[in-house]
Amino acid sequence: AQSVTQPDIHITVSEGASLELRCNYSYGATPYLFWYVQSPGQGLQLLLKYFSGDTLVQGIKGFEAEFKRSQSSFNLRKPSVHWSDAAEYFCAVGVKLSFGAGTTVTVRA
Amino acid sequence: ETGVTQTPRHLVMGMTNKKSLKCEQHLGHNAMYWYKQSAKKPLELMFVYNFKEQTENNSVPSRFSPECPNSSHLFLHLHTLQPEDSALYLCASSQLRDNYEQYFGPGTRLTVT
Repeated sequence: AQSVTQPDIHITVSEGASLELRCNYSYGATPYLFWYVQSPGQGLQLLLKYFSGDTLVQGIKGFEAEFKRSQSSFNLRKPSVHWSDAAEYFCAVGVKLSFGAGTTVTVRA
Repeated sequence: ETGVTQTPRHLVMGMTNKKSLKCEQHLGHNAMYWYKQSAKKPLELMFVYNFKEQTENNSVPSRFSPECPNSSHLFLHLHTLQPEDSALYLCASSQLRDNYEQYFGPGTRLTVT
């Protein structure tokens, strides 16, 4: 069975600081991995995805994620956050997507 | 219209009402999905349609009835709902041959009173 764990429910970060969101997955084969972002009152927007190849994936809005098979992880990073990055972030795995419970990011001035 | 649209955006209904949620995708995709998003819980996949055929029903109660008349439209018919059905209902679509990347609509916020 496939599953995703996002260990951090809520993260607060200062504007301009770096951000890292953790994602651990369980999947029986080479996983399809995704990060989505959801702003208040909105649907989910795809930030980036990994299927194969280079384990460091670049996405939109300055985000990147690194696939580490040995750790079953797919952590999301951004070097310098902006106030507009305040949102909920979801990691997902598989063809039929299994989502984590999400991490809420608050950005303080 | 572009992307995936959903109407209505907000819906309040009593437990004895019948209502429908509508989803339309303008992306030429051939798969559509209904998800339920409750507070602080992972998104729950409810139904999957591939080429208008239902391919997945994740043990959803019969008070939720999906309909997919064509590859661009998806409905969720609601009747005799319970207060615990209050949630954000998200529709998504994907191209089956495009690495299964799903595009989401803005959702319908449903409140059952």
